[in-house]
Amino acid sequence: VQLVESGGGVVQPGGSLRLSCTTSGFTFSNYGMHWVRQGPGKGLEWVAFRSHHYYADSVKGRFTMTRDNSRNTVYLQMNSLTPEDTAVYYCAKEDFGGYGVFASWGQGTLVTVSS
Amino acid sequence: QSALTQPPSASGSPGQSVTISCTGTSSDVGAYNYVSWYQHHPGKAPKLMVYGVTERPSGVPDRFSGSKSGNTASLTVSGLQAEDEADYYCNSYAGDNTVVFGGGTKLTVL
Repeated sequence: VQLVESGGGVVQPGGSLRLSCTTSGFTFSNYGMHWVRQGPGKGLEWVAFRSHHYYADSVKGRFTMTRDNSRNTVYLQMNSLTPEDTAVYYCAKEDFGGYGVFASWGQGTLVTVSS
Repeated sequence: QSALTQPPSASGSPGQSVTISCTGTSSDVGAYNYVSWYQHHPGKAPKLMVYGVTERPSGVPDRFSGSKSGNTASLTVSGLQAEDEADYYCNSYAGDNTVVFGGGTKLTVL
């Protein structure tokens, strides 16, 4: 199982960024995928699950998660970014029945929101 | 979606046992047997250590064990080893396809 995030970088407040998580080694369409982030000096924070519907309150209305089963990839479109969104963003694969059990993680991609 | 409460730090000497608590509410930890624990070394990907409150994925030493009582879950690390020094996070299913994490506990092996 391999998950590789990309798309991080430096963006100004109010800007947008799209993260990608490309996966391999498992049947992608059979598993739920999530995004989790860790701000500097902070703990892990769940961000989004599947697509369109399930988001943390802190990102609802600004972030959109989609998945492309043909490319084994999930995306996180992040709009109206604020400095509080600065974090390492991880994608994570569910397993063991789901319900927030993140069995595999990527190495993360750093997003910095700063002017 | 309030974070679960963990102690910021815990410590123990090699060979000792240490228990880390994770307190939530009747809407998350208390409502579901879907509490997981993760070990996180800075700069690396988090690693699943316990899921479903008490289950261990293959490859995780049986020195790691989980339990739950009411709204509080716990992770016990027995026979502490130097490589156990890391940050530990709990999470819980919180209904409606949402998940909540704890604030994390830094475990120091003295």
